[in-house]
Amino acid sequence: DAGVTQSPTHLIKTRGQQVTLRCSPKSGHDTVSWYQQALGQGPQFIFQYYEEEERQRGNFPDRFSGHQYPNYSSELNVNALLLGDSALYLCASSHDTSGWGAFFGQGTRLTVV
Amino acid sequence: GENVEQHPSTLSVQEGDSAVIKCTYSDSASNYFPWYKQELGKRPQLIIDIRSNVGEKKDQRIAVTLNKTAKHFSLHITETQPEDSAVYFCATYSGSARQLTFGSGTQLTVLP
Repeated sequence: DAGVTQSPTHLIKTRGQQVTLRCSPKSGHDTVSWYQQALGQGPQFIFQYYEEEERQRGNFPDRFSGHQYPNYSSELNVNALLLGDSALYLCASSHDTSGWGAFFGQGTRLTVV
Repeated sequence: GENVEQHPSTLSVQEGDSAVIKCTYSDSASNYFPWYKQELGKRPQLIIDIRSNVGEKKDQRIAVTLNKTAKHFSLHITETQPEDSAVYFCATYSGSARQLTFGSGTQLTVLP
């Protein structure tokens, strides 16, 4: 069992560009949540996907959007990148929307220059 | 929304000593309290969790206590080892908010 896999592991983008990050959940998990972790801080909740719908959203602008596919994999899209979007983006999966036992991927390190 | 405060931000202990990290939260609807360990450059790893109907849970050298009345919970690590050195995050989960809210983290250093 590979657990939660994220791609790519590192990414460098220019301010104003758009980026797509991908996540495959742990086997048996159907719920995917995305978090942003700035350097030296705890992860901040972006949104959660279940049954291909966004179920809950944190305090992030509409530039952050997502998608979940029938196989439960998910994407995080960020438009009009800002320097402040530079962070580690973490995907977490769980077997339901309770969030209990959430299992994190290794993250995608996004650098905006 | 939920607010989780974590203390201390840094903690250094001698190998073999105990370490205690404390968190307070604001949302009385929070019902799940996990602790994550994050080593440098790696993913947060769930090390122990507790649900709101339990006051204490232990797993080998790690234990968590929960006081729902006071809205605080703590992580206790006994007989610390150098490999325990990492950043530890507490978190809460509220069924109404449907999200994990994390503390700001504690950098634990175990000195050999």
